[in-house]
Amino acid sequence: SQQGEEDPQALSIQEGENATMNCSYKTSINNLQWYRQNSGRGLVHLILIRSNEREKHSGRLRVTLDTSKKSSSLLITASRAADTASYFCATDAGGKLIFGQGTELSVKP
Amino acid sequence: DAMVIQNPRYQVTQFGKPVTLSCSQTLNHNVMYWYQQKSSQAPKLLFHYYDKDFNNEADTPDNFQSRRPNTSFCFLDIRSPGLGDAAMYLCATSSVGLASYEQYFGPGTRLTVT
Repeated sequence: SQQGEEDPQALSIQEGENATMNCSYKTSINNLQWYRQNSGRGLVHLILIRSNEREKHSGRLRVTLDTSKKSSSLLITASRAADTASYFCATDAGGKLIFGQGTELSVKP
Repeated sequence: DAMVIQNPRYQVTQFGKPVTLSCSQTLNHNVMYWYQQKSSQAPKLLFHYYDKDFNNEADTPDNFQSRRPNTSFCFLDIRSPGLGDAAMYLCATSSVGLASYEQYFGPGTRLTVT
């Protein structure tokens, strides 16, 4: 059974705009991670937020976690064309990562 | 630079012909993972090694096997590839305690079955 569901499935914005992606999950977690995947490549870890944290920042990235709603969001501010990629949330459930379906972000110059 | 390396990047095999994908790491991480990712889908964990301990996912087909001869190398063997096994295969590593830490991914091997 899939742990993470992501929304939207695809997002197209202009350079300089903010991009928000959401992730919902079903069971209790130890932490939630976000990864980026450029087309045809491996995944790159972006940020990890623990279950006792509510918000975390890393550069232009802001992640929130609401364990009562079992949801997380990833905000990319001032997007760039190089941010074009697929973004996956992954939940740590019992010692392994379970990935959501991903959001495909397209940033147009 | 420390990294996860996968070879080959692209592999074509025939239906039913055994194929081996390889992964090596210079991170000295104790956990290594193999994922299968089909087009526009989430990566799906096939199995992982915690040091030498092999952990198979319940829904991983018997057709898929793995070997880890040492800390640095891990292999994925597909004994009799079917058309449905065409996918991107991702190797990843992590340190210490399984998924509680970030995973480092290789670039993947794209497998085509003809």
